[in-house]
Amino acid sequence: KAGVTQTPRYLIKTRGQQVTLSCSPISGHRSVSWYQQTPGQGLQFLFEYFSETQRNKGNFPGRFSGRQFSNSRSEMNVSTLELGDSALYLCASSLGKGLLPTDTQYFGPGTRLTVL
Amino acid sequence: GENVEQHPSTLSVQEGDSAVIKCTYSDSASNYFPWYKQELGKRPQLIIDIRSNVGEKKDQRIAVTLNKTAKHFSLHITETQPEDSAVYFCAASKKAAGNKLTFGGGTRVLVKP
Repeated sequence: KAGVTQTPRYLIKTRGQQVTLSCSPISGHRSVSWYQQTPGQGLQFLFEYFSETQRNKGNFPGRFSGRQFSNSRSEMNVSTLELGDSALYLCASSLGKGLLPTDTQYFGPGTRLTVL
Repeated sequence: GENVEQHPSTLSVQEGDSAVIKCTYSDSASNYFPWYKQELGKRPQLIIDIRSNVGEKKDQRIAVTLNKTAKHFSLHITETQPEDSAVYFCAASKKAAGNKLTFGGGTRVLVKP
C-alpha cells in the first residue's frame, strides 16, 4: 500500500496570507490527524478528523482549521499567517475503526511552511 | 490536559552499548504509548508501541516497559548501531481523546562508531 502523502512538500508565504495543505491517508484509513512540529514546541496536536467530522482539537487559535472529504483526504488551512506559524506540518493516518483503544498512526513526510 | 516529559534530551552512546530513554505522563487514563524515530529531514516512524494491558514488549533490539502505577514508560535499545542515531519521541494517548497523541520533547541519540 502507498504511504501517507502530503502536498505541497515546501511552501513559502508572507505574513497575512493564508495557506492550504493537503493530506492523503493510507488507503482504507478513515482517521487523519494533524500535528505541528517546531524546534521550540516540539510535536503538537492540531486536530483529528474521522468520517468527515472533527473528533478532537488541540490548543491552537481559530486561524487553524481543517476538513475531511468523503474519500478521507484531509486539508488544513491557516489564515492570516504569522511568523510563528513557520513549522513542519505533519499529518498522520490511522484505520479509525475503533477496534483498539487508539489506532496506530502513520505519518506523512510533512509540509515545510516558511512564513516571511 | 495530558503532559508527557521525556529524558534525557540528548544521549550519546558507543556503538554496541545500550540506550535508555524515559518518559513520564500525567493522565492516569492514558492507555496507549507509542515510540517514534525521526531521522533528519524524514517523517516520524513508529518503532514500537505498548498498551496499558501489558508491562513489556520486545521487538528484536528494541523493548518498551510500562509502569502504570508510577506513570512512566521507557525505551530500551540494545547493541546500538550507527543507524540508530536519530531523534526519538515518546507519546501517550487515551481512548476518550480519539487519536490525539501527546508527545514528549524528544531525545537526540548519537551512536558513536
